[in-house]
Amino acid sequence: TQLLEQSPQFLSIQEGENLTVYCNSSSVFSSLQWYRQEPGEGPVLLVTVVTGGEVKKLKRLTFQFGDARKDSSLHITAAQPGDTGLYLCAGGREYGNKLVFGAGTILRVKS
Amino acid sequence: GAVVSQHPSRVICKSGTSVKIECRSLDFQATTMFWYRQFPKKSLMLMATSNEGSKATYEQGVEKDKFLINHASLTLSTLTVTSAHPEDSSFYICSATLAPGHEQYFGPGTRLTVT
Repeated sequence: TQLLEQSPQFLSIQEGENLTVYCNSSSVFSSLQWYRQEPGEGPVLLVTVVTGGEVKKLKRLTFQFGDARKDSSLHITAAQPGDTGLYLCAGGREYGNKLVFGAGTILRVKS
Repeated sequence: GAVVSQHPSRVICKSGTSVKIECRSLDFQATTMFWYRQFPKKSLMLMATSNEGSKATYEQGVEKDKFLINHASLTLSTLTVTSAHPEDSSFYICSATLAPGHEQYFGPGTRLTVT
C-alpha cells in the first residue's frame, strides 16, 4: 500500500503569516497534485507537478516536488482568510489512474 | 478546466431504501470515473474505479453489492447505495479523467443523510 503522509493535520494562523504543508512518501510518484477543498464542495485542483525538483508558483502559493519524486511541499506566503480550507495532496503512478491521497491539512487563517 | 457535475447535491432517505447518485462529465468524455467517500474534516477514500462499458473495480473493504456502480456512457456514471443505513451517511464525491495518466476533475459532491 502506498502511503502519502501529510503534515500538519491542522494549522491555525494569523493573517499575514507564512506556512508550509508537507507530503512525504517512501514511494515514487509520477505526479503530485495539490487540491483545495471548501466545506460541502468537491476538491479543486491547484497544481500538478511531474518533474523531480520542479517548483511552481501560483500567486502566493509555491509548490515543490522533491528531487526523488517522493515528497512535495506547499508554501503559502502572507496567508489570507480566503486561503482557509482543506488542502489535499495526491500522488499518481505512471501506469493507472488511481490517486493516493494524503490525510489533508485543515488551514484556518484568522483576520 | 473540465466540468464534472453531481446530482443530487443533497439527499435524505430513510433507512432501508436505495439512493442513486449521478456523476456527469459535462464537456469531455471520461474513460474512467472514480467514486470517493469523505468523512467530516477527513481526506478522500477511494471506493471504486469505473470504466465505461465494464464492471467497476472496488477497493478492499467496499461492498460491491451495497454500492452499485454503473458507467453506461463516457459522460455518466451512477452510484446506487442499496438498503441504506445511517452509517452510510457521508459525503460522496466522484471524479472523471479523460485518459490514463491525465488529471482527475472532481464533482461538487453529494451529501447523503440516512435517517
